[in-house]
Amino acid sequence: NAGVTQTPKFQVLKTGQSMTLQCAQDMNHNSMYWYRQDPGMGLRLIYYSASEGTTDKGEVPNGYNVSRLNKREFSLRLESAAPSQTSVYFCASSGGLLDEQFFGPGTRLTVL
Amino acid sequence: GEDVEQSLFLSVREGDSSVINCTYTDSSSTYLYWYKQEPGAGLQLLTYIFSNMDMKQDQRLTVLLNKKDKHLSLRIADTQTGDSAIYFCAENRGYSTLTFGKGTMLLVSP
Repeated sequence: NAGVTQTPKFQVLKTGQSMTLQCAQDMNHNSMYWYRQDPGMGLRLIYYSASEGTTDKGEVPNGYNVSRLNKREFSLRLESAAPSQTSVYFCASSGGLLDEQFFGPGTRLTVL
Repeated sequence: GEDVEQSLFLSVREGDSSVINCTYTDSSSTYLYWYKQEPGAGLQLLTYIFSNMDMKQDQRLTVLLNKKDKHLSLRIADTQTGDSAIYFCAENRGYSTLTFGKGTMLLVSP
């Protein structure tokens, strides 16, 4: 089992460019999440999907869109990147008895 | 919503015990968790405690839960340099989401 995988690992964008961060899990989990991590800010929830076909806003959704493509995949899209979106992005999934979340290795995004 | 609070930094010597503290907010949280993040990596579940427990021990790790004060702590015995990492506490407030603290950076010196 690969667990939660994310692509790409690193990305540099110019202001105004768009990109999609990909996430997939092979644990048959119902719920998936996107977080951003910034120094001194901890983890902040961007969007989540409690089940296939549903998505909900988290704490910091502005500037992002998501798609729950199927049970395995949950993508995060930046339509017009801004320097304030420079961050490390983590995808996670959950669905076990403990409701614990399993995290991917992260995508390090720099917007110039 | 209210924040989960943690101290930001802890420095200990190798072989000492480390205690990382957390104050959570929701008394109805079913589970409380400790995650570990090593440099350049994602978060990994270290341990958890069910809300009807006061203490849980797992090898070098001891979790204490004080529900009255909404206080959670993680004790690492015989701390090693490999324990250097950021430790996050998290609570399950329901609605399929977890709420994380900002993390405590543990630095272990030889």
